[in-house]
Amino acid sequence: GDSVTQMEGPVTLSEEAFLTINCTYTATGYPSLFWYVQYPGEGLQLLLKATKADDKGSNKGFEATYRKETTSFHLEKGSVQVSDSAVYFCALSDYGGATNKLIFGTGTLLAVQP
Amino acid sequence: EAGVAQSPRYKIIEKRQSVAFWCNPISGHATLYWYQQILGQGPKLLIQFQNNGVVDDSQLPKDRFSAERLKGVDSTLKIQPAKLEDSAVYLCASSLKQGGEYEQYFGPGTRLTVT
Repeated sequence: GDSVTQMEGPVTLSEEAFLTINCTYTATGYPSLFWYVQYPGEGLQLLLKATKADDKGSNKGFEATYRKETTSFHLEKGSVQVSDSAVYFCALSDYGGATNKLIFGTGTLLAVQP
Repeated sequence: EAGVAQSPRYKIIEKRQSVAFWCNPISGHATLYWYQQILGQGPKLLIQFQNNGVVDDSQLPKDRFSAERLKGVDSTLKIQPAKLEDSAVYLCASSLKQGGEYEQYFGPGTRLTVT
């Protein structure tokens, strides 16, 4: 079945460092891809999404490009801040399927130190 | 706009007891989801409703879990009897309609501890 694999954490960076969190997926159809963020004590929030190959999702300085040839959707940010410390989840949704349930990766904890 | 509301936020019970969680989705959202998030894992869909009908409950352990959305608005998820492995955060989400283009909005979750 469909699945998402993302790099294990925790990822610890200094403020203003470059961030990459790797995400790859397996899907039989043409899924939409998402990054969700979970700040401490809060619920999941959609960070960005891409619905077709070569689309780039972006928000709050974060970017991810839907790469069908490598089945990847890596999250990047040029300069992280302490406030970016959170758990990041990569997810896919089978857009054309009977349901649009989200299938999540295991999450990557990002800790940014001042 | 009010977000997805869930209660209680925390619950501690002993194994073999029963427990119920409540969710109030964003007003006007037809689709409602319940996810289970075990510590160290990503959320996993338990059940999806479209209005008051079940769309997908393939991963719901039906021998102990039940859910309903009687009037197509609020929803209740029940576990009876609870097992130790049910310890998790239970997330409710809603979206305007069913379809990948409609964002799912998540509530804060209910953290269940089974002892």
